[in-house]
Amino acid sequence: NAGVTQTPKFQVLKTGQSMTLQCAQDMNHNSMYWYRQDPGMGLRLIYYSASEGTTDKGEVPNGYNVSRLNKREFSLRLESAAPSQTSVYFCASRSGGAPDTQYFGPGTRLTVL
Amino acid sequence: DAKTTQPNSMESNEEEPVHLPCNHSTISGTDYIHWYRQLPSQGPEYVIHGLTSNVNNRMASLAIAEDRKSSTLILHRATLRDAAVYYCILRDVSNNNDMRFGAGTRLTVKP
Repeated sequence: NAGVTQTPKFQVLKTGQSMTLQCAQDMNHNSMYWYRQDPGMGLRLIYYSASEGTTDKGEVPNGYNVSRLNKREFSLRLESAAPSQTSVYFCASRSGGAPDTQYFGPGTRLTVL
Repeated sequence: DAKTTQPNSMESNEEEPVHLPCNHSTISGTDYIHWYRQLPSQGPEYVIHGLTSNVNNRMASLAIAEDRKSSTLILHRATLRDAAVYYCILRDVSNNNDMRFGAGTRLTVKP
């Protein structure tokens, strides 16, 4: 099991450019999440998907869109990147079983110039 | 949303026990107490969780106060690999299992 994988690991964008962050999990989990982590801070929830075909806004959704492509994959899109979106982005999936926990990917470090 | 309060940082000596405190005075009856840790340059990883009773697993122990307004994560023998940021989080099962991460406690382990 690879667990939760994210691509790319690093990305530099110019203001106004767009990009999609990819996330996949091989644990057959229903729920998936996207978080951002700014320096010295905890994680903040951007969007989540409780099951295939559904998505909901989290704490900081502005400037982002998501797609739950299938049960395995959950992508995050920045349509017009801004310097305020410079952050580390983590994807997670939730087991829903015992223990009911979230499993996190290694993160994507994004810099917007 | 129920919130948690943790010290910004703590230090420990290697092979000594570590007690990481967390206050959650506004916890509701449907909130589970979760602990995650984040090693440098990695995503968070699950440590332990509980509802009312104390819990033990291979990584740590969780002691929950009788009124559930505070909890303590116990690492029985700290190693250098335990140096990380530890997050105490309330998982709200009545709100789509929402979890809100605070800034956590940065644990430094000295050899």
